Order: sequence, then structure tokens, then C-alpha cells
Amino acid sequence: QKEVEQNSGPLSVPEGAIASLNCTYSDRGSQSFFWYRQYSGKSPELIMFIYSNGDKEDGRFTAQLNKASQYVSLLIRDSQPSDSATYLCAVTTGGFKTIFGAGTRLFVKA
Amino acid sequence: NAGVTQTPKFQVLKTGQSMTLQCAQDMNHNSMYWYRQDPGMGLRLIYYSASEGTTDKGEVPNGYNVSRLNKREFSLRLESAAPSQTSVYFCASSERGAYGNQPQHFGDGTRLSIL
Repeated sequence: QKEVEQNSGPLSVPEGAIASLNCTYSDRGSQSFFWYRQYSGKSPELIMFIYSNGDKEDGRFTAQLNKASQYVSLLIRDSQPSDSATYLCAVTTGGFKTIFGAGTRLFVKA
Repeated sequence: NAGVTQTPKFQVLKTGQSMTLQCAQDMNHNSMYWYRQDPGMGLRLIYYSASEGTTDKGEVPNGYNVSRLNKREFSLRLESAAPSQTSVYFCASSERGAYGNQPQHFGDGTRLSIL
């Protein structure tokens, strides 16, 4: 079992819709959870981070964390074609070690 | 504001050659990391340095060595390059907070091909 799992996609949504990206992790001791966006040929850039159970909102983005079920999700409201990218889920497992999922490709159709 | 700077951006090596990838950050971060990214596999941690003077192995350390030269600089060395090390290499840095790692800031990457 991979430590951090994501559906590789592609996830295709129409412009203006809500995109829902999911991630599960195996280490119950995980403390920090991150979502990064990566455009093709570019480096990852931070979208959201969350440390506590519940929801965290920042503009069009909402991160949701459920430690009991060991999943973290990212919702993108009013999706735009510029949101088309690969979204990486990352989990810090206590120490300094951060494990990344393989990423979900999102395609927003204009 | 440079952030994390990696050099070189591109490199082609022959099997058996050695080289060092350089990384420097100007954000006064304590922690630095080296990752490789292969198609369909996300980012895999090679080595990390929690603070100046310390280094530790990540998921895929074989074939690599690192040096934390000072707080700003963290280099990755391939002693004898192999075709399996063809990849995109990213350096990153972060601070450490109460809940573990703070978000990481990435360099632009080094695209390395080994023939």
C-alpha cells in the first residue's frame, strides 16, 4: 500500500463547476497536510495546508481533513481553465519526512 | 526575491560520470530537501537536511550523496551516474513549525538525462 494515494485522473470538469480532489494516507501519526499545484514543466507551488480536522477555506479553495478516516481533500469552486494542472497531495509523517502522492491531473473545459 | 535557486537547469551526462547539483535558498529556512520526479510517480524524497549540520536519507537515497554546506546551500552529488537516474530533480526548503513541516518552497528543477 502506498503511503499517500491519489487518483491519477484525469479529472475533467466544466468551467464554473466544483472540482473535488481526494487523497488518502496510511500513517495515523501524520501531522501536516499540503496541496500543491504543478503545471506541466514547472515546479510545485503551494495551494493550501491544513493541520487540524475540519475545513479550511482560502478564496476558491477549501481543504478538508478527516484524520479518523485518514483522508484529505481539496475542493476548487468556480473552476477555471487556468486551474488545469496536476494537484499533489503531501503528508508529513511526524519527522521532517514529507511523502507526496503521485498527483491527480485536473482538466477544466472552457 | 530569488527563493530557491537550482543550478544547472539542464544537464546531459554519460553513464559513469559524476556531477553535483547545486541548491541555495535565501529565505533563512532551516530545512532543505532533494526530490526526484519521474513520470507518474510524483515526488520522491532522496535526502533531507533538518538543520545545518545534519542530513538524513529519504525514500530513494541509493546512488546519491548530499552536503549541507551552510544554512543556505544543500548540494546533491551523483558519484557514478546511471540511466535510472534520469529524472527531474527538485530542491526545496521549509521552516519547521509546531505541527511539523511548514510548506515547502521549490526551485525550478534540474532536468538530468543520463545516456
